[in-house]
Amino acid sequence: DAGVIQSPRHEVTEMGQEVTLRCKPISGHNSLFWYRQTMMRGLELLIYFNNNVPIDDSGMPEDRFSAKMPNASFSTLKIQPSEPRDSAVYFCASSLGPDTNQPQHFGDGTRLSIL
Amino acid sequence: RKEVEQDPGPFNVPEGATVAFNCTYSNSASQSFFWYRQDCRKEPKLLMSVYSSGNEDGRFTAQLNRASQYISLLIRDSKLSDSATYLCVVNPRGGADGLTFGKGTHLIIQP
Repeated sequence: DAGVIQSPRHEVTEMGQEVTLRCKPISGHNSLFWYRQTMMRGLELLIYFNNNVPIDDSGMPEDRFSAKMPNASFSTLKIQPSEPRDSAVYFCASSLGPDTNQPQHFGDGTRLSIL
Repeated sequence: RKEVEQDPGPFNVPEGATVAFNCTYSNSASQSFFWYRQDCRKEPKLLMSVYSSGNEDGRFTAQLNRASQYISLLIRDSKLSDSATYLCVVNPRGGADGLTFGKGTHLIIQP
C-alpha cells in the first residue's frame, strides 16, 4: 500500500525564491498535517486539515507560509519568499480522522536548504 | 515550561540491557499519548500508544502517570536495531488535532 508521498525529497534554492512542497496523503485518510523539523526546535506542527478544510494554522511561522488542500488527495505548502532560516525537514502526515487514537503516518519528508 | 520535555540523551546501553526513559507534559488536560520512533534521516513512525492502565507490546512497555504528568517507555532485552530517537508525543486537546512532539531521546545500543 502506498504511504504518504511527498515531493520533492530534496530542495536547494536561493533565498527569495518561491518554494512549493507537495503531499499526497494515504487514500481514505481525512486528516492531513504539515510539520517542520529542525535540530533546535524539534518537530513543530505548522497546519492541519480535516476533510480538506484548514482547522488550525497557528503554527505557521508568518505570512510567507501558506498551505492549501484543493482536494482529498493533494496538499501544498508554499514559502514565498524563502529565507535561510526556513531550512529544515518538512514532513506531511495523514490519519484516518478525528479519533484521538488514530496514528499519524508520515511521509519521507522534504529536506529544504535555502542558501 | 515546555509542553513536552524529554531528556535528549544520548543513552548508551549495552545490548540485552533494559532501558527506560520518561517524558513530562505540561497540559493536565491532555487526552492522548504516544511514543514514536525516528531513525536517523527518516520519518517518525508510531511505536505505540500509551493507555491509562499501561500497555505492553513485546519488549516495550509504556506507562502513563496522570497525577505527575509523565509517561514512560521501558525497553527490555534491547537490540542493536532499537538504536533510534524516541519521541514522546501528546495530543493536548483531543480530536484530530496536530500532535505535540518532544524533541526526542537518543538511544544507542552498543554491541
